[in-house]
Parts: sequence; structure tokens; C-alpha cells
Amino acid sequence: DVKVTQSSRYLVKRTGEKVFLECVQDMDHENMFWYRQDPGLGLRLIYFSYDVKMKEKGDIPEGYSVSREKKERFSLILESASTNQTSMYLCASSPSDREDGYTFGSGTRLTVV
Amino acid sequence: GENVEQHPSTLSVQEGDSAVIKCTYSDSASNYFPWYKQELGKRPQLIIDIRSNVGEKKDQRIAVTLNKTAKHFSLHITETQPEDSAVYFCAASTGGFKTIFGAGTRLFVKA
Repeated sequence: DVKVTQSSRYLVKRTGEKVFLECVQDMDHENMFWYRQDPGLGLRLIYFSYDVKMKEKGDIPEGYSVSREKKERFSLILESASTNQTSMYLCASSPSDREDGYTFGSGTRLTVV
Repeated sequence: GENVEQHPSTLSVQEGDSAVIKCTYSDSASNYFPWYKQELGKRPQLIIDIRSNVGEKKDQRIAVTLNKTAKHFSLHITETQPEDSAVYFCAASTGGFKTIFGAGTRLFVKA
């Protein structure tokens, strides 16, 4: 009963490549988020979206962009991948009308070489 | 900026003992405090949460306490089992989209 699906579990990309990370949720949630997870730093918010075509910067948006063309899909884009973007990327979603915590995807471990 | 501090970063307990993880938040407007459990190689999952109008909440072997005055909240796991071994994250939210996570606690339960 997977509700938030990230398209890739593992990715290896070269420095300078444009990278797309895809996230799809089937819970009709309005809010979607992209976090990166690094040891000792917890989860840091990159971007979030509260509606189709809406996006807001999180705490560490530099080097990233996002796209939300449909309610169920939220894409994270690394315009020109760099080695310091090697990390675990987690997508999450939540409904807009209540504070009930997030549902996370399984994560994408990205390595940039 | 606003932050959430979580301690300890690593915790090792014997099976059957209790485990306590503590978090402190800085934003006094925070009103929702979820806890997530992330097993190795898996996604974080919400295990319990507490809102600012409640001081304590319990769900079987797991309980969370909140002290708004001191701005700290804690997760208590009693009668720990090997399957409790995971990384636990606390978080504080002011509602809307501002949720700040702690750095995580790696819990080891030794059989």
C-alpha cells in the first residue's frame, strides 16, 4: 500500500549533469516536500509546494529547482549536479487541512561522481 | 534561525529496558510535535505525535511528553524490543509548512 513513490532508489550521476528526481503520491494531498537527509544533520527542507504550480523555497534551495504540474507529482531538479549534492533525498506529502504529520517516500540515494 | 536539538545522537539499551529521547525547540509558536521512526533502508514513518494543548500522550509502549514552558518534549519507549532499533526523529511545527526536524537518534536495542 505504498502511498508516496519515488521513481529511483539509487542513482549515480556525473558532475554537471541535469538530474530529475520524481515523486508521486496517491493520497490527494495538497502539500508536497523535498528533503535531503545527511548523517548528523537530520532532514533539511529543499523546496515545498502547497498547490499545483506553486512552489516555495525551503532552507537549502541553492542548486535545486522543482516542478509541480499535477497535484500528485512533485519533481526535484538538480540543474548541474555537484559532488556536494550526493545525499539521500526524501519526498513527503501531507494534507492541507490539518496538521497530521508527513507521509514519506522510500528515498532516492543520489551519488554524484 | 529556528532549530530543534535532539539528544542523544546514539542510544544503546538492553532489551526490556526503557529508552528516552529528548528534544528542545526554539520557536515558541510551535504547536505540533511529531516523532518519526526510520528503520535501516526504509522511509521515516510517523509513530506518535502531540499537540500543544496536551501534556502527554501514550500509545502502547510509546509515550511522548511536552513541556511548553521549557520548550522541550521527549519520547519514551518502555520494554524495548530488538525491532525498536532504528533512527528516531523529533520535529516541531508551527503549522502550515514550517516543520523543523531534529538531527536524529540512533537507537540500538541489544538482545
